[in-house]
Amino acid sequence: EAGVAQSPRYKIIEKRQSVAFWCNPISGHATLYWYQQILGQGPKLLIQFQNNGVVDDSQLPKDRFSAERLKGVDSTLKIQPAKLEDSAVYLCASSSVGGGEQYFGPGTRLTVT
Amino acid sequence: KNQVEQSPQSLIILEGKNCTLQCNYTVSPFSNLRWYKQDTGRGPVSLTIMTFSENTKSNGRYTATLDADTKQSSLHITASQLSDSASYICVVPYSGGYQKVTFGIGTKLQVIP
Repeated sequence: EAGVAQSPRYKIIEKRQSVAFWCNPISGHATLYWYQQILGQGPKLLIQFQNNGVVDDSQLPKDRFSAERLKGVDSTLKIQPAKLEDSAVYLCASSSVGGGEQYFGPGTRLTVT
Repeated sequence: KNQVEQSPQSLIILEGKNCTLQCNYTVSPFSNLRWYKQDTGRGPVSLTIMTFSENTKSNGRYTATLDADTKQSSLHITASQLSDSASYICVVPYSGGYQKVTFGIGTKLQVIP
């Protein structure tokens, strides 16, 4: 069984630029999560999808972050414009059901200069 | 408020020694508790899942315990190896209209030769 795929693995941008991350969950997993993990901290949930609907985006900075999962499979997370404090690893995870065991991708390490 | 607290924040032990990591939670109602291992530069990987009725569960050299009355869990690592160096994260799902999860900040373990 293929795991959760993410790309790119690394990204370096200047502040005020835009960036997008892509995630392909495990086949058949209805729930998809995006997390932000700042160095030395645990993952913080940004947004949770159930199929193509948003279940929780309470911690998503909506003035600059957006995410979509149009066909209930792949998802993209966008930051526009980026700030220095957005430097972090962005993890995508999926589970077969909400609250079920999550399988994580390798993450995308974003550096904003 | 649903919270998960882990201790210690960091730990250094000699190879071959044992160690115990702690997780206290205030999540209610409780359904299960999970321990994840996160190697540097990788996404978290599930080690074990503890349900309400389970007191102890082992996975190789990892043994997790759960006391649902005191809302505490521990992860004991026996005969540590250099490859155990990682962050160990405690995760507790809760129901907020839809199953969500609360992450602890993790314990960073370093095993030295």
